[in-house]
Amino acid sequence: KAGVTQTPRYLIKTRGQQVTLSCSPISGHRSVSWYQQTPGQGLQFLFEYFSETQRNKGNFPGRFSGRQFSNSRSEMNVSTLELGDSALYLCASSLAADVKETQYFGPGTRLLVL
Amino acid sequence: DQQVKQNSPSLSVQEGRISILNCDYTNSMFDYFLWYKKYPAEGPTFLISISSIKDKNEDGRFTVFLNKSAKHLSLHIVPSQPGDSAVYFCAASARGGTSYGKLTFGQGTILTVHP
Repeated sequence: KAGVTQTPRYLIKTRGQQVTLSCSPISGHRSVSWYQQTPGQGLQFLFEYFSETQRNKGNFPGRFSGRQFSNSRSEMNVSTLELGDSALYLCASSLAADVKETQYFGPGTRLLVL
Repeated sequence: DQQVKQNSPSLSVQEGRISILNCDYTNSMFDYFLWYKKYPAEGPTFLISISSIKDKNEDGRFTVFLNKSAKHLSLHIVPSQPGDSAVYFCAASARGGTSYGKLTFGQGTILTVHP
């Protein structure tokens, strides 16, 4: 089975721009979670989608948004980019009927905001 | 407020010896715990997990121990190999509908295994 894939792997943007990142979960997985990793804050939960619905959201501003499609693929969008948005963005998928499920991570998208 | 803490930023171990990585948590709602291994610029790789109804889980060289009364878990790697050198993250999920899809991570411990 193919693992979680994320595109693009690297991205450079300037302040004020917006960006869209994509995540394809493991086949059969219906839940996709997104995380931000920075040196200062570590791995922080952004949001989770299941069956095209956002079920949970972390403590991030409204500039961070996402969606999920009927094939479980997910996108996240960051509008009006700030320097502090430079980070590794990770998505993870699970079967997710339950909170007690293992999440499997993709390789991440490295975003640099100049 | 950091609900999952890995108090040792780094650990150095000789090849063949045991590596013990520790993790403490404060949220009593956590009931599922996981360990991930991560290389720079890659996503975390799942290693092993444990449910709160157990106190030990083994998978090959990896064993996770959970002490609920102390709110403490540890990962034992025996024997350690140079290829185990990476950053190890402890993560936890809480029971309850508002916890869907959310893992809370520790800050990570850098493990270095010397040949």
